[in-house]
Amino acid sequence: QVQLHQWGAGLLKPSETLSLTCAVNRGSFSAFYWNWIRQPPGKGPEWLGEINQGGSTNYNPSLMSRLNISVDTSKNQFSLRLNSVTAADTAVYFCAGALITMAGPIAFDPWGQGTLVIVSS
Amino acid sequence: DIVMTQSPDSLAVSLGERAAIHCKSSQSVLHSSNNKNYLAWYQQKPGQPPKLLISWASIRESGVPDRLSGSGSATDFTLTINSLQAEDVAFYFCQQYSSTPWTFGQGTKVEIK
Repeated sequence: QVQLHQWGAGLLKPSETLSLTCAVNRGSFSAFYWNWIRQPPGKGPEWLGEINQGGSTNYNPSLMSRLNISVDTSKNQFSLRLNSVTAADTAVYFCAGALITMAGPIAFDPWGQGTLVIVSS
Repeated sequence: DIVMTQSPDSLAVSLGERAAIHCKSSQSVLHSSNNKNYLAWYQQKPGQPPKLLISWASIRESGVPDRLSGSGSATDFTLTINSLQAEDVAFYFCQQYSSTPWTFGQGTKVEIK
């Protein structure tokens, strides 16, 4: 069963860069689109973007100008960088996989454990 | 973007009673090419990531109790919890995977009355 483990800095100052990495264990790295999703406290999740093994990405247009998702296939890892953070970027950030099927990528499963990122001066 | 709107925002139900959560999408998530609804339901408990319960609007994931069921098509969907148990207390979210950006509902909090 595929498992995800994520890590990265949890406290940032405004204008800094958020950086998180997610490692994929026990599963086919190529069978999924790998996603980053965030959830502000008390709110519904927001999808940030996705990447596949080949490096093809899709980003949420609302964040595209500040967002970069990359993949390291040698380590079965993928990473998130979000530039110029503000307090509005404070949230729990999750990595998640979406299995690629004939019908396209499907719902998010599995998920990482989540990383609380706080942006504060 | 497809906007997902859930109702109600919160719900208090007695143990053993039925809970129904509604999700409405601003555009149809039914694909005519395969007659599938690209709609998922998740359960989230405090301090945990969301857990996928149902995909394709009505297909339960392995291990999900059959008292949880999904229904609906096109733009209107329902998650029903029959005979609410204490372990069902959680937030529930719908999500469309019909077109990017993938979007979620705002969530419904289910509590015990």
